Amino acid sequence: GAVVSQHPSRVICKSGTSVKIECRSLDFQATTMFWYRQFPKQSLMLMATSNEGSKATYEQGVEKDKFLINHASLTLSTLTVTSAHPEDSSFYICSASGPSGGMIQETQYFGPGTRLLVL
Amino acid sequence: DAKTTQPTSMDCAEGRAANLPCNHSTISGNEYVYWYRQIHSQGPQYIIHGLKNNETNEMASLIITEDRKSSTLILPHATLRDTAVYYCIVRVLFSGGYNKLIFGAGTRLAVHP
Repeated sequence: GAVVSQHPSRVICKSGTSVKIECRSLDFQATTMFWYRQFPKQSLMLMATSNEGSKATYEQGVEKDKFLINHASLTLSTLTVTSAHPEDSSFYICSASGPSGGMIQETQYFGPGTRLLVL
Repeated sequence: DAKTTQPTSMDCAEGRAANLPCNHSTISGNEYVYWYRQIHSQGPQYIIHGLKNNETNEMASLIITEDRKSSTLILPHATLRDTAVYYCIVRVLFSGGYNKLIFGAGTRLAVHP
């Protein structure tokens, strides 16, 4: 149990375009989803926290107009990188937590990550 | 900032126990200690967590000191597939009932034959 998927696993796009990354909880309902970013040889940095049906809470320094987060259902959250630039190239990872299903309450379970390369 | 400090790297022989230490001297009474690991180019994998008592599951054991200022993750019989970066994290609680994980640099564990 507690499986989280991400799609796509990797994406290459041109500078100035927008990219959408999906995060799904496959076998539990995720009341809260988190988005992280990881640059090479660095640790994960939390970008934002989203609760189903509510606006996301962004960490300091993360541009909410550039990184659009939608958490419209208990199993799906999306991150859209708008007007992507080469400096946005990174490994984006989501996690999900919830009170139900066969997983430990409030524990975050992570997706496999999406590698974004902006040319 | 992360509330934990861990050694940068450790080595372990295959089949032996791997003991990964973590200091969290500023932990609050209601904050949990979580352990995750990340194998290269993958998302972090949940290992175990605890509050006060020692915990054990099919992957590992977690030993928390009585004062809760430090803990040790024990992999009883390390295998080559346990080579990864191990993160010790204090789950921080905020007003409003929400919480978040602040990742530090972690410990890079290398298991060798």
